[in-house]
Amino acid sequence: GNSVTQMEGPVTLSEEAFLTINCTYTATGYPSLFWYVQYPGEGLQLLLKATKADDKGSNKGFEATYRKETTSFHLEKGSVQVSDSAVYFCALNAGGTSYGKLTFGQGTILTVHP
Amino acid sequence: SAVISQKPSRDICQRGTSLTIQCQVDSQVTMMFWYRQQPGQSLTLIATANQGSEATYESGFVIDKFPISRPNLTFSTLTVSNMSPEDSSIYLCSVFLQTNYGYTFGSGTRLTVV
Repeated sequence: GNSVTQMEGPVTLSEEAFLTINCTYTATGYPSLFWYVQYPGEGLQLLLKATKADDKGSNKGFEATYRKETTSFHLEKGSVQVSDSAVYFCALNAGGTSYGKLTFGQGTILTVHP
Repeated sequence: SAVISQKPSRDICQRGTSLTIQCQVDSQVTMMFWYRQQPGQSLTLIATANQGSEATYESGFVIDKFPISRPNLTFSTLTVSNMSPEDSSIYLCSVFLQTNYGYTFGSGTRLTVV
């Protein structure tokens, strides 16, 4: 079946530090990949997406590249801010009979200190 | 992208009772989804609600416990029936838009069963 594995958290960083959150996946076919962010007390917001191999999604300084050869979609940001503190979810849609459904990773809690 | 209004935003309910959660979308969508997010956990798909047909439930979820209605292309409800403390979770609705291959989530309903 389809699955998403994220790096264990929580992650604690100082402001302006470099961020990497690892995400690997297992899926049949050619999935689309997503990163969602959940700020405290809020719902999920789409952060970025990539729909085919070698695509790079980017938004708000965050980037992730769809690597088919390593089945990965790691999230990076060069300089984090306190306002980036949130829970980050990697997700995939496998298409086919799973069209429209998302499979989520377990989430990574990020805390950024001033 | 679509805008979703989800109600109620939170509720505290007695065990053995039922709660109906509403999801209103500002545009017509074919596919709507209901997810559960248990405390400290990731999101798990409960069911897919398509207008004009019965909802499709994922493994571990049954219609008697989580009946779903989808009377038109902009509205859906999820009922959590005969609640127990184990049902305490955040419940989220989501829609998929083919136009931008995007998934939008409601702000969620935080349910506490006492």
